[in-house]
Amino acid sequence: NAGVTQTPKFQVLKTGQSMTLQCAQDMNHEYMSWYRQDPGMGLRLIHYSVGAGITDQGEVPNGYNVSRSTTEDFPLRLLSAAPSQTSVYFCASSFLGARITEAFFGQGTRLTVV
Amino acid sequence: AQSVSQHNHHVILSEAASLELGCNYSYGGTVNLFWYVQYPGQHLQLLLKYFSGDPLVKGIKGFEAEFIKSKFSFNLRKPSVQWSDTAEYFCAVRQGRGSTLGRLYFGRGTQLTVWP
Repeated sequence: NAGVTQTPKFQVLKTGQSMTLQCAQDMNHEYMSWYRQDPGMGLRLIHYSVGAGITDQGEVPNGYNVSRSTTEDFPLRLLSAAPSQTSVYFCASSFLGARITEAFFGQGTRLTVV
Repeated sequence: AQSVSQHNHHVILSEAASLELGCNYSYGGTVNLFWYVQYPGQHLQLLLKYFSGDPLVKGIKGFEAEFIKSKFSFNLRKPSVQWSDTAEYFCAVRQGRGSTLGRLYFGRGTQLTVWP
C-alpha cells in the first residue's frame, strides 16, 4: 500500500517554464488537495477536489491549475513559473462523510524557480 | 473562515523537560482536530487526532492533547521530551460539516528544539 505518492521530489525551473507536479493515491480517497509550505507560513491550500471531475480553489490558487479525471490522480500544473512559487508542495488525500479520516500526506516536492 | 493560532513559534527545551504547545481556533461548531509533526526534510505525519468522544486524546510517541471546546483549544503535551522530538509541529482544524468540509486549516507551526 503506497499511500500518497508525489513526483518529482526535487525540481528546478527557470522563470516562465511550465511543469506538472504529480500526485497519486491508492486508498480510494475522494478528497484530494494541494498545499504549499513556506517558512513561517504553515501550509496553505492551493486547490482541492471532492471527487473525480470536481475541483475548487483554495487560499492561494493563482498561477496553478488542477484537474481530477480519476479518483487516484490529482496533478498540479504551474503554467508559467515565477520565483514566488519557490516552495515545498504537498499533496494530501482523505475520506470524507461517514468514513472520514485524517489527511494522508505525500513526501513533498521541493521546487525552486530561478 | 476558520483560523488557527499556534502561540509559540520556537520552543527550546532540554531533554526530560515537559512540553505544552498551544493551539486555538476561531470558529466553533463540529470540528476535527489534528496535530501533525514534520521531522527535518520529511513530510507531515499524524501525531494524534480528535473527531469526537473523550476530549483527552493520546497519540504516538507519548504525545497527548486535550480538546477544550469552551476555549476553542487543542493543546499538545508531552511529559518528558527527547532529543528525537526535535521537529516542527502543526496544529490543524477541519470543519466537520458544511461547504468547507474536508478543508484543513493549519497553524503556522512551532519549531521544537530539544537539547540533549
